[in-house]
Amino acid sequence: GQNIDQPTEMTATEGAIVQINCTYQTSGFNGLFWYQQHAGEAPTFLSYNVLDGLEEKGRFSSFLSRSKGYSYLLLKELQMKDSASYLCAVMDSNYQLIWGAGTKLIIKP
Amino acid sequence: DTEVTQTPKHLVMGMTNKKSLKCEQHMGHRAMYWYKQKAKKPPELMFVYSYEKLSINESVPSRFSPECPNSSLLNLHLHALQPEDSALYLCASSQVYETGGYEQYFGPGTRLTVT
Repeated sequence: GQNIDQPTEMTATEGAIVQINCTYQTSGFNGLFWYQQHAGEAPTFLSYNVLDGLEEKGRFSSFLSRSKGYSYLLLKELQMKDSASYLCAVMDSNYQLIWGAGTKLIIKP
Repeated sequence: DTEVTQTPKHLVMGMTNKKSLKCEQHMGHRAMYWYKQKAKKPPELMFVYSYEKLSINESVPSRFSPECPNSSLLNLHLHALQPEDSALYLCASSQVYETGGYEQYFGPGTRLTVT
């Protein structure tokens, strides 16, 4: 079967760094996506990894290891507005997104 | 322009009503999607249109009927819904995978309540 695991909830402090992990087992792999979703709003695209390694985009970075079926999203210099759910999604062999349940990130002052 | 628009933002309908959700994008994307999202759950794929043709229907009940009038518009027609259909309905668009660029851009969603 297809499975994507990520922690349900994480708490971090404003100004700090947090790493959200995602492990996956899917039928085929055409890339891994991270989306941010604020409560009651639509998901917004953060990053896309298809090759092993680190992709950096401002305060956000995403890492992929295909051999380990593992990715993480790293958020630096946390701001209160980063409080949101972070969704990991893998594009399978049919080019469809398989979604993780999401990680709710709570930022405390 | 990376915007996907959806109307209405909120919709309350009775179980005997007929209503439609609308979605529009002007990014030149030829793949469009309907998702359903319940609270604290990830989006669930309902339908995929590729080049204005329905390519995926994820065993969605017939009370949901999609329509893609042209490459920029996507509709979801609703009829005889059940209270459990209450959810956030999200539209998304992307380039088709043959041309690369797989990220999906989401609209703000329609919050649907069935009474």
